[in-house]
Order: sequence, then C-alpha cells, then structure tokens
Amino acid sequence: QLQLQESGPGLVKPSETLSLTCSVSGGSISGTNYFWGWIRQPPGKRLEWLGSISYSGSTNYNPSLKSRVTISVDTSKNQFSLWLNSVTAADTAVYYCARWKVTATLGDAFDIWGQGTMVTVSS
Amino acid sequence: ELVLTQSPGTLSLSPGERATLSCRASQSLSTRASAWYQQRPGQAPRLLIYGASSRATGIPDRFSGGGSGTDFTLTISRLEPEDFAVYYCHQYSPSSGLTFGGGTKVEMK
Repeated sequence: QLQLQESGPGLVKPSETLSLTCSVSGGSISGTNYFWGWIRQPPGKRLEWLGSISYSGSTNYNPSLKSRVTISVDTSKNQFSLWLNSVTAADTAVYYCARWKVTATLGDAFDIWGQGTMVTVSS
Repeated sequence: ELVLTQSPGTLSLSPGERATLSCRASQSLSTRASAWYQQRPGQAPRLLIYGASSRATGIPDRFSGGGSGTDFTLTISRLEPEDFAVYYCHQYSPSSGLTFGGGTKVEMK
C-alpha cells in the first residue's frame, strides 16, 4: 500500500533554511484526487499545517507562514519537498508529510501519513 | 482568524465507557474539511472521521462523528484499551487555511 517517508537533516542552525523531502512509495504521486501536505508538531503542542501541493504544482500555504514556506513536487522521483527559511527555535518540531484525499461529496482529509521526522533548530 | 477549541482538555474514563469529544469553531464552516484524528504516543496521527461524519477505511464503528456549523463532535461508544490517546479535529477556512484544534487527551481512569 501507499507509504510516505520523510528525510532530511535533524539539526538546523538558526537563521538557516530547513529542507525536507517526502518520498512516496507503493503508488503514484500523480493523481487528480490528491494533494500532498506538510504538517508539524512542536513538542507537546498541537498539529500545525504548513502547506499542500498538487502533482501539477498548485500550492496552498498556511497564511501565517506563507512568507517563509516553499513546497515543490518532483513527479519523476515521486516525491515532494519542503523548504522553511529563517528558522528559529520555535520551528523545532516533528515534521510530517501526508496525503490529502479529495472526495467528490463526502469530504477531504489527510488519510495517509509518514512516520514523521524530528527537526531541532539549534546552534 | 479561525480558532478551534477542543473540550475537554482531558477526559478520564474507564474501558467500556462512552467518550464524547467536542470541537468548536470561531466561525461557521462547511463540513467538507471537518475531520478527526487519533494520535498515540510516538506515532503519527491516524484519520478516523472525515466530512464530519464519514468513517475512514478500517475504523471501527464504535467511532462516530457529527455536527455542523460551529460545533462538531466525536463519539466513541465503548472505549477499548487501544482508544486511550489524544484526539485532534481540523477545519478549513479560506482566510486561515487548515487549522487543527488543541487536542483532547482520553486517559484511563
């Protein structure tokens, strides 16, 4: 079945750019009924949506982070990526990638998640 | 700005009891992006309910969702030991994007 796996550095210095990749296996990233998203969770805190992208490159970002977030997709590699610039300690969190499933009538949600990867911002 | 308030913060119950979790939005919303997730310690969230009331694939029928407008509810009819976890709701608004609630922890009494 479809699986998602995050990868990238676990430690990033303040003011630098955090970069993560989500590799999709067991299925194609090129589907019209799906978006692909990034969500993070600081230790002991709630989930926060960062943004989502379609296979064609259409993006939707969290307005509170829009100036710092970029998401891209590479259909040839079946993966999508997250860049978050000018990071601070407040960006320390577990970062998840997930598939957003769009249904015709019933509703939309993140139905498949990666296991998550911890990223710490520290010098 | 959309704010989602989940209550109670913690629910202390025994196996076999009924759990009722609330998710209240600061503005009236469509049910389309209304969903509930379960998160066990050290694990990724798992989708339970989408579209406010539809169960995700493989989710037992003891889980049910409902509500509309500003008030949404997740009910677990009879708690099993594996149901003790944290539960999150989310909603979407054009101005705020996708927003998650603060979570409700269901703990064993």
